[in-house]
Amino acid sequence: QQQVKQSPQSLIVQKGGISIINCAYENTAFDYFPWYQQFPGKGPALLIAIRPDVSEKKEGRFTISFNKSAKQFSLHIMDSQPGDSATYFCAASWGNNDMRFGAGTRLTVKP
Amino acid sequence: KAGVTQTPRYLIKTRGQQVTLSCSPISGHRSVSWYQQTPGQGLQFLFEYFSETQRNKGNFPGRFSGRQFSNSRSEMNVSTLELGDSALYLCASQPGQHNEQFFGPGTRLTVL
Repeated sequence: QQQVKQSPQSLIVQKGGISIINCAYENTAFDYFPWYQQFPGKGPALLIAIRPDVSEKKEGRFTISFNKSAKQFSLHIMDSQPGDSATYFCAASWGNNDMRFGAGTRLTVKP
Repeated sequence: KAGVTQTPRYLIKTRGQQVTLSCSPISGHRSVSWYQQTPGQGLQFLFEYFSETQRNKGNFPGRFSGRQFSNSRSEMNVSTLELGDSALYLCASQPGQHNEQFFGPGTRLTVL
């Protein structure tokens, strides 16, 4: 049932560096691509989302890059901070709200 | 606005028992989705309710069921619990036709 593949599984970045997480999807019907951030013991929190009519969306230090032809999208975290250490999930959905999640990336930002 | 609330936060049950989890969505949100999160399978969609009707269902056995009330609050029920049902159960609400989903803190279910 996995329709969204996420990589890497884990990522270690130095403070101030750029964290990059990639996702690929299969179903061309997907029209909404969010990224969620989850801290231990908490539910996922919506970070940023994009629709396929744009190739990039930026909110603060977080940027989504979207490549419709390649069916790929990625999350870039600029100037990564130790407080960004969390698990990040990409997801994809279409009109019926059946959201499919990637397996998650555990990000560790070292001070 | 208050966020999505889920009760109870933690639950311990034994195999064969039944459990009911509750979710109160953000005020004004009419859609509630339920997810199961486990280390091995990640986040998996269970079902979604909109205006008291199940609109979509994931690939889970019939032991997993849910319902939504007229005030948009939702419950999910798992009957005949199995060890593999141990997981974090997450509820997410959304305004309606929009896709933004807002998650609650989850209910941690442990089946012994």
